[in-house]
Amino acid sequence: NAGVTQTPKFRILKIGQSMTLQCTQDMNHNYMYWYRQDPGMGLKLIYYSVGAGITDKGEVPNGYNVSRSTTEDFPLRLELAAPSQTSVYFCASSPGGHNEKLFFGSGTQLSVL
Amino acid sequence: SQKIEQNSEALNIQEGKTATLTCNYTNYSPAYLQWYRQDPGRGPVFLLLIRENEKEKRKERLKVTFDTTLKQSLFHITASQPADSATYLCARPNSGGYQKVTFGTGTKLQVIP
Repeated sequence: NAGVTQTPKFRILKIGQSMTLQCTQDMNHNYMYWYRQDPGMGLKLIYYSVGAGITDKGEVPNGYNVSRSTTEDFPLRLELAAPSQTSVYFCASSPGGHNEKLFFGSGTQLSVL
Repeated sequence: SQKIEQNSEALNIQEGKTATLTCNYTNYSPAYLQWYRQDPGRGPVFLLLIRENEKEKRKERLKVTFDTTLKQSLFHITASQPADSATYLCARPNSGGYQKVTFGTGTKLQVIP
C-alpha cells in the first residue's frame, strides 16, 4: 500500500498565484486532515473531513479551501497565495471514530515569494 | 481551547541513558493522548496511544504514562540509541469532536554516541 500520497513535494509560488495541493490515500480511511507546520512550531489544523462530501474548518482555515468528492482524495486549494502561507503542508488520514492514529504523507514544502 | 505543551528546548542525552519527554495539557482530560515521531523532512509517524484510564503503556523500549491529576504525559525511551534522535510530538483530541486532533510543538531529542 502506498498510504497517503502528497504532490507536489516542493513548490514556489508568487504572491497572488493559486495552486492545489493534492492528497490521496488508498487505505479507505474516512477521516482526512490538512495540517501546516512552520519552523519550530507544531502542526496547525487547517481543514478536516469525516467523509466524502463533508468538510469542516480547523484552527487556521483562512486563505484555504478544500473539497472531498471521493473517499480517497482531499485536495487543498490556495486561491491568492501570500507570504504567510509559506510552510510545510501535511495531509493525514485515519480510519475514523476516536482512539485512532493518524497516517501522514511526506509533506509539501511551499514557498510564497 | 485545549492546548498541548511540550518543552520546545532540545533534549541531549548520552547513548544508553533513558530519555524522558514531557507533555502537559490544559482544560479537560482527553480520552487519550498520542505520541508521534518526526524525522527531518518527513511526516510524523505514530508511536503509541494511551487512554485516560491507562496509567502506563509500553512498546519495546518505549513507555508512556498518563497522569490526569498532573494533566501530564511522560514519554520514556530506555537504552537510547543515536537512531532515536528525532522530534517527538504529543497529540490530543479536542472536546468538540474526536475528529480534531491538536499537536504540541514537539521536543527535539538528540542522542549522543
